[in-house]
Amino acid sequence: GAGVSQSPSNKVTEKGKDVELRCDPISGHTALYWYRQSLGQGLEFLIYFQGNSAPDKSGLPSDRFSAERTGGSVSTLTIQRTQQEDSAVYLCASSLVRTSATGLYNSPLHFGNGTRLTVT
Amino acid sequence: QQPVQSPQAVILREGEDAVINCSSSKALYSVHWYRQKHGEAPVFLMILLKGGEQKGHEKISASFNEKKQQSSLYLTASQLSYSGTYFCGTEKGSGGKLIFGQGTELSVKP
Repeated sequence: GAGVSQSPSNKVTEKGKDVELRCDPISGHTALYWYRQSLGQGLEFLIYFQGNSAPDKSGLPSDRFSAERTGGSVSTLTIQRTQQEDSAVYLCASSLVRTSATGLYNSPLHFGNGTRLTVT
Repeated sequence: QQPVQSPQAVILREGEDAVINCSSSKALYSVHWYRQKHGEAPVFLMILLKGGEQKGHEKISASFNEKKQQSSLYLTASQLSYSGTYFCGTEKGSGGKLIFGQGTELSVKP
């Protein structure tokens, strides 16, 4: 079946402009994540949506960053007044939240191919 | 809080074994392991749950010591295809978010 789809795959923008990054998760996946990966670096958590719960926005680096998830499916990450330090690959991932003997857990995350953002 | 991985990088010859460690300062509920090849998205390897359940689909093993808040990934008889960056992700609460370590770069040479 279809995997996680992200668009655009590449985005070049001028400093100060706003950008929108889109993520289409796997159908039925209740959990959706946004991560940021700078060149040669790790996976920096940005935001987590799970079902109808309030999103966990604790990883957003500044108030220029926001994200929404409409209808429990598609998500958009918006970066306002982009800065050069925002240049990175933005990865979206989705998963199911399953039940184990001790509670809920995230099943394997399925990652999209990312959006490479370059701010000039 | 981000888990800590060690080592940061390791170079192996084909057929050699490696261990990658992941530790946290806080109690863990689950640990995920992923491998990312250059220019590609991370790919799932293994989940270890509090209470001992393990779920994975590759010939890679792992352990999860809940008391020590540590997990280790064991790569035996390494192949060239094992090269990549390995990330552990930890979940501190039931259904909570997954936070990744800084990664361990593994290079397998012929």
